[in-house]
Amino acid sequence: DSGVTQTPKHLITATGQRVTLRCSPRSGDLSVYWYQQSLDQGLQFLIQYYNGEERAKGNILERFSAQQFPDLHSELNLSSLELGDSALYFCASSAVSGGGNEQFFGPGTRLTVL
Amino acid sequence: AQSVTQLDSHVSVSEGTPVLLRCNYSSSYSPSLFWYVQHPNKGLQLLLKYTSAATLVKGINGFEAEFKKSETSFHLTKPSAHMSDAAEYFCVVSVRSGNTGKLIFGQGTTLQVKP
Repeated sequence: DSGVTQTPKHLITATGQRVTLRCSPRSGDLSVYWYQQSLDQGLQFLIQYYNGEERAKGNILERFSAQQFPDLHSELNLSSLELGDSALYFCASSAVSGGGNEQFFGPGTRLTVL
Repeated sequence: AQSVTQLDSHVSVSEGTPVLLRCNYSSSYSPSLFWYVQHPNKGLQLLLKYTSAATLVKGINGFEAEFKKSETSFHLTKPSAHMSDAAEYFCVVSVRSGNTGKLIFGQGTTLQVKP
């Protein structure tokens, strides 16, 4: 168990809908990362927050947004969902923000868009 | 820019034989390199990491990797495969000196272990 929790584990929804994925980092970790794992794109970095502030953006669509709250949990919001958004979404956390630091991954949320 | 290439999408070995999973990286800056493992329907677990110390890195479950700057490689090895090693393995790079810790993943190598 990495100490990172994600809810829900599974999510099934329809095209055009909006969903929210939730992540709680390990105790004491200030940095949260979101990754998307799909069959065609592999594992891709979406976005990073550090102590409530956005630190880096990757290949995140404009329909997607995220935030980190004062208690350090994070939410990833996906809107106007398309079939291609079906994927496994991972959250990871680390103590600090810089490169070279180990990231601890949650079990993921599997999103299916029908 | 940073990138990672895993040279084999699928590797099959017999239980008790050595494992070699190959990874080449590209980085404009001093890289940090990781190997993560993903078992079916599970999250990602760190096997080992290289940051700047010893070039031969030992990880969990008997795995190790050697950083070779001249070859830009970071291959993962294990002397003797176990059935429980069957999983997806990812070679990962990040910029050591950057202020963001985003990870760049390779495409993954599926390790099959035959009895």
